[in-house]
Formats: sequence, C-alpha cells, structure tokens
Amino acid sequence: EIVMTQSPATLSVSPGERATLSCRASQSVSSSLAWYQQKPGQAPRLLIYGASTRATHIPARFSGSGSGTEFTLTISSLQSEDFALYYCLQYNNWPPHFGPGTKVDIK
Amino acid sequence: EVQLVQSGAEMKKPGESLKISCKGSGYSFTSYWIAWVRQMPGKGLEWMGIIYPGDSDTRYSPSFQGQVTISADKSINTAYLHWSSLKASDTAMYHCARLFGQLVPDYWGQGTLVTVSS
Repeated sequence: EIVMTQSPATLSVSPGERATLSCRASQSVSSSLAWYQQKPGQAPRLLIYGASTRATHIPARFSGSGSGTEFTLTISSLQSEDFALYYCLQYNNWPPHFGPGTKVDIK
Repeated sequence: EVQLVQSGAEMKKPGESLKISCKGSGYSFTSYWIAWVRQMPGKGLEWMGIIYPGDSDTRYSPSFQGQVTISADKSINTAYLHWSSLKASDTAMYHCARLFGQLVPDYWGQGTLVTVSS
C-alpha cells in the first residue's frame, strides 16, 4: 500500500498571507492526487483533483501542483473561511489512501 | 442537485449488528461508484471500500476486508454499510461519497456517527 505523508502537521498563517501545504507519496502516484478541505462537523469538500484541476465552484486562490511523489496545495491569500484541515488523497493504486492532514490555523 | 443523505446517528452495544445507509439523488445512482470512509474521533480519513450499484461489484481495503459488508439496493438508490458484530473500536463517523472519473470522491453525505459502548 502507498503511504501518504503531509507537512507541516499545523500551519499558522495570517489572513491574506500565502499558505503552502505539502503531500508526499511513498511511491509514484502519477497525477492521481486530490486535495480536500474539512471543517469541524462537516464532510470533506473536494478542492483539487488530477493534482492540479480545481473542482467545480472552488475559488482560484486554491491551486495544486506536482506529480509522481511530491505535491503542493497553495492558497494564495488566506480568507477567514479557509482555516480548516486539509487532506491529500492518492487514487492511483488500490486502496486509495488519505494523508494524515495539515491543519491551517490563524496566526 | 446531487445529494447523498445518510441515516441518523446510532448508539449500539458491543456484539450488536448494525446497517447504516446512504441514499443518492439528483444523478444516475447506478452509474457511479460509492465509497465508504471512516473517521475515528479526532482522527483522519480512512478508505474502507467501494461499491458499484449498477452491478453490486464491491471492493474492500485490506484493513476492512471481513470487518464490514458493503451492499446496495439500486431500486431505491441506496448503499449500505453493515457490521455483524460491533466492537468499541468501530466508534467513528462514517461518510459515504460518490466517486467520479478515476475513483475521486466528489459529493459526500453528511456522515453517520456510530457509537459503540457497553
């Protein structure tokens, strides 16, 4: 099974600043990588799939990049509603695996 | 509008059985895989398994094989997650999600909280 890691575990950012989240796979997952946002008490929300394609209705401040084993989610200018948990998911190999998550909180 | 509506919270005792449900609407239920994802209290997301309601083709993650049963009734657009004998360690929020393309969860249910305690 592919193991996913995310860094940092917690990212403290001021509103309006840029946030860069990393996700690493233990072996290549090609571009089969998605990013999700989850707020307390809510289901996850799809942000990015195919490593870099924004899902429907996702603001342009969210962008994804990378391929193979190294991936990045960038939030260009953090808004108050962006403080949440972020998970990556590899779906190239069975079973799909989520990373452990990065918490983005207010600095 | 695509919606997945899950059954309500459950409180059970160890050893009891349980089946929770996930009803899809607003799309062709038989044309998309459905996944079940576990989230233990304060923890991350774990992929349990998937089902294709069109023909009930089912696949399990190794960690969950033999621990749960995933099924679907396409006549009522509903997928199920079943335990025959619950353990305290099954206490978690369980999410269903529709999968598109290369098995990417796009739409999610609201989650079903299962609490197992004596």
